[in-house]
Amino acid sequence: KAGVTQTPRYLIKTRGQQVTLSCSPISGHRSVSWYQQTPGQGLQFLFEYFSETQRNKGNFPGRFSGRQFSNSRSEMNVSTLELGDSALYLCASSSRDRGSEQYFGPGTRLTVT
Amino acid sequence: QQPVQSPQAVILREGEDAVINCSSSKALYSVHWYRQKHGEAPVFLMILLKGGEQKGHEKISASFNEKKQQSSLYLTASQLSYSGTYFCGTESPPNTGNQFYFGTGTSLTVIP
Repeated sequence: KAGVTQTPRYLIKTRGQQVTLSCSPISGHRSVSWYQQTPGQGLQFLFEYFSETQRNKGNFPGRFSGRQFSNSRSEMNVSTLELGDSALYLCASSSRDRGSEQYFGPGTRLTVT
Repeated sequence: QQPVQSPQAVILREGEDAVINCSSSKALYSVHWYRQKHGEAPVFLMILLKGGEQKGHEKISASFNEKKQQSSLYLTASQLSYSGTYFCGTESPPNTGNQFYFGTGTSLTVIP
């Protein structure tokens, strides 16, 4: 099976702009979760989508949003970028029966200048 | 709600053993363990479910104390390839929000 893919891999944006990141899960996986990873805060949960519905949301401002399409592909959007949004954004897919392992994509490295 | 891991960092010589602990302040449904090497994505190692079920790699063992909301990962006869940052992840019981929290991380370095 092909793994989780994320595009783009690297992105440089300016403060105030918006950005959209994409994630294609493993075939057959219906759950996609997004995480933000920074040296200071570690891995933080953003949200989870399951069958096109947001099932869970972490403690991030409303500037962070996402969606999932019928083919399980997911996008994450960040509006009005701030310097502190610079991070590695990881998505993970799972079959998401509870207790299912997550398979991570390579991540998108976002730099906000 | 973020689980706390200990130790924060550990250095081992090849062949030595290590234990990484993960402690949560909330009731848990499952505990996951992942390893992340520098510049790479986290890789699944093991899941421990409430009730005793475990899924994971043969060479890795772990325990889950549901009452204490703690889990430990046991790395035996360490190899150079074990180096990386280990994260536990916790999942809360159904109908309690179901957020997934990663722990603070433990940096493991294995030297020859």
